[in-house]
Amino acid sequence: QLVESGGALVKPGGSLRLSCAASGFTFSDFYMNWIRQAPGKGLEWVSYISSGSSYTNYADSVKGRFTISRDNAKKSLYLQMNSLRAEDTAVYYCARDRSGQVGDAFDIWGQGTMVTVSS
Amino acid sequence: QSVLTQPPSASGTPGQRVTISCSGGSSNIGSNTVNWYQQLPGTAPKLLIYSNYRRPSGVPDRFSGSKSGTSASLAISGLQSEDEADYYCAAWDDSLNGYVFGTGTKVTVL
Repeated sequence: QLVESGGALVKPGGSLRLSCAASGFTFSDFYMNWIRQAPGKGLEWVSYISSGSSYTNYADSVKGRFTISRDNAKKSLYLQMNSLRAEDTAVYYCARDRSGQVGDAFDIWGQGTMVTVSS
Repeated sequence: QSVLTQPPSASGTPGQRVTISCSGGSSNIGSNTVNWYQQLPGTAPKLLIYSNYRRPSGVPDRFSGSKSGTSASLAISGLQSEDEADYYCAAWDDSLNGYVFGTGTKVTVL
């Protein structure tokens, strides 16, 4: 199970940190991802992080502004979001890579947390 | 950004077969496996098909997937009212070193 938290209303240019708490599986064995969905729009992959935090990558739309991290001891995934823009408004989901490698399917999803960027 | 193209909508009556296409390129579908997700209204997406045609435990065999070249498709046979949802294809993209999703298809049961 994955449970996100930290979503809020924030002003343009502001910052926010999302969290995702994992349970029911060996968190440290799996790549993890953040995926977002703007209101009424489709899914957009945001970022991934390897099981040991050695590898990360980001969508061009957030590169340089967002930072993904994880704490395997706490079974938690994070997304630090800086310089937020109106177009970052979305439901943010955390999701697990099925096989423990990057490039596989997302087999477990959280319920999502809403981020609204507005003045 | 949606790199994979899907039709915006598809529909059918109960019991019919509906097919959804997903068109990509050589760096994504052409060189990696395709996954499909179902998103019921107001809920998180759910994995429906992985590795082009494999179904996770619990997914009815009414759902099937296939891939050829740089395109893939999802078929729903014996359409049921509970299949009314948005469906997304997805694949790893070697050029982007990230995942790409399809534009999404809304399936309506008439």
